[in-house]
Amino acid sequence: AQKVTQAQTEISVVEKEDVTLDCVYETRDTTYYLFWYKQPPSGELVFLIRRNSFDEQNEISGRYSWNFQKSTSSFNFTITASQVVDSAVYFCALSESPIRYGGATNKLIFGTGTLLAVQP
Amino acid sequence: DAEITQSPRHKITETGRQVTLACHQTWNHNNMFWYRQDLGHGLRLIHYSYGVQDTNKGEVSDGYSVSRSNTEDLPLTLESAASSQTSVYFCASSDGLAGLYEQYFGPGTRLTVT
Repeated sequence: AQKVTQAQTEISVVEKEDVTLDCVYETRDTTYYLFWYKQPPSGELVFLIRRNSFDEQNEISGRYSWNFQKSTSSFNFTITASQVVDSAVYFCALSESPIRYGGATNKLIFGTGTLLAVQP
Repeated sequence: DAEITQSPRHKITETGRQVTLACHQTWNHNNMFWYRQDLGHGLRLIHYSYGVQDTNKGEVSDGYSVSRSNTEDLPLTLESAASSQTSVYFCASSDGLAGLYEQYFGPGTRLTVT
């Protein structure tokens, strides 16, 4: 079965510290997509990144970086020099493969989320 | 600007009542989804649709139904509300196939069943 595990329920850091949010996934598919979403205290879900299973290059966007390692089935998210505005719940998600189900599919399987609190 | 909206944003209802949550998107996306968010569970898929007249059950579909009569709307109906359905409900939409495109989420509806 496909599954996403975010073992860190809550993380608390002090502003300017670096922090890594872990995401481990399980899938039998060879083609899949991984996502990170941010949910700030206001409650909306904000898309951060999408990565497909064929692209293991790490990605950096400003203070955010993502480390995708198929060998360990992990897609970890690092925030460098954290800020109070980074305080949010972060969700990792896995998208099922179209080939396996014989057609289009775009369903997301979410992890349980990691609450990041950045203290000033 | 295109957007996805949900109404109402907050709803309190009594056990046994029928409740309908609205979702409207102006992205012209084919795919629409309903999730519920509960502490310790993340977001779980209730129902989804890949186009007009298409609906499919998700992971936690019991007690819920949807219908898709046009591209823009996917209302979620709780046939007979139960306290276990107290939750925050999110609607989402996406374009294209196979996880290639991210889902855009609405602002959520907080439903309390008393």
